[in-house]
Amino acid sequence: GENVEQHPSTLSVQEGDSAVIKCTYSDSASNYFPWYKQELGKGPQLIIDIRSNVGEKKDQRIAVTLNKTAKHFSLHITETQPEDSAVYFCAASIFFGGGSYIPTFGRGTSLIVHP
Amino acid sequence: GAVVSQHPSRVICKSGTSVKIECRSLDFQATTMFWYRQFPKQSLMLMATSNEGSKATYEQGVEKDKFLINHASLTLSTLTVTSAHPEDSSFYICSASLAGGGPDGTDTQYFGPGTRLTVL
Repeated sequence: GENVEQHPSTLSVQEGDSAVIKCTYSDSASNYFPWYKQELGKGPQLIIDIRSNVGEKKDQRIAVTLNKTAKHFSLHITETQPEDSAVYFCAASIFFGGGSYIPTFGRGTSLIVHP
Repeated sequence: GAVVSQHPSRVICKSGTSVKIECRSLDFQATTMFWYRQFPKQSLMLMATSNEGSKATYEQGVEKDKFLINHASLTLSTLTVTSAHPEDSSFYICSASLAGGGPDGTDTQYFGPGTRLTVL
């Protein structure tokens, strides 16, 4: 089955700096890669996602890049703010079309943004 | 849009009792709902997948008689932890799949806020 590795487990940055979280996956058939943000005591929230036919996607201060050949994808957050502090999870999944996908999650990265 | 609720948000129960957790998709009909379990500072572990009107599909190692899942409608799924024990204490999260909610018309999972279960 799919195996997703996520690094680092903890990331501490100063407000305004950029933060990068990296993930690798093992199953070359995976074709959908969502990223989730989980605040303390809450469920994960989808923040951005990317399909395997796209190399990069951006949404305001967050961007995701995907290298299918190397089987790794990354989350980039620019101009970090204290409210960005949370646990971020990457996931890899196979979507066959016409049905639901089941993602395999990374172990999470605790991002701490110091004011 | 795409809001998923869970009830209760927190429950404390005595060992041996059963606890029911509800998961609702508030503004959409969910083709599929998922139940996850999350231990402190760990990732989400998929427990089971359920489709409305059919039996849930459980992941390997998850006891189906222990964790009863009922998916009565396209907006409601329930997880019942039967004869709960302290080792069942965890954060339980559901998600609902919104057909066509993702990129290029794919399905996207939206997560509920989670239920903290503590078994004494």
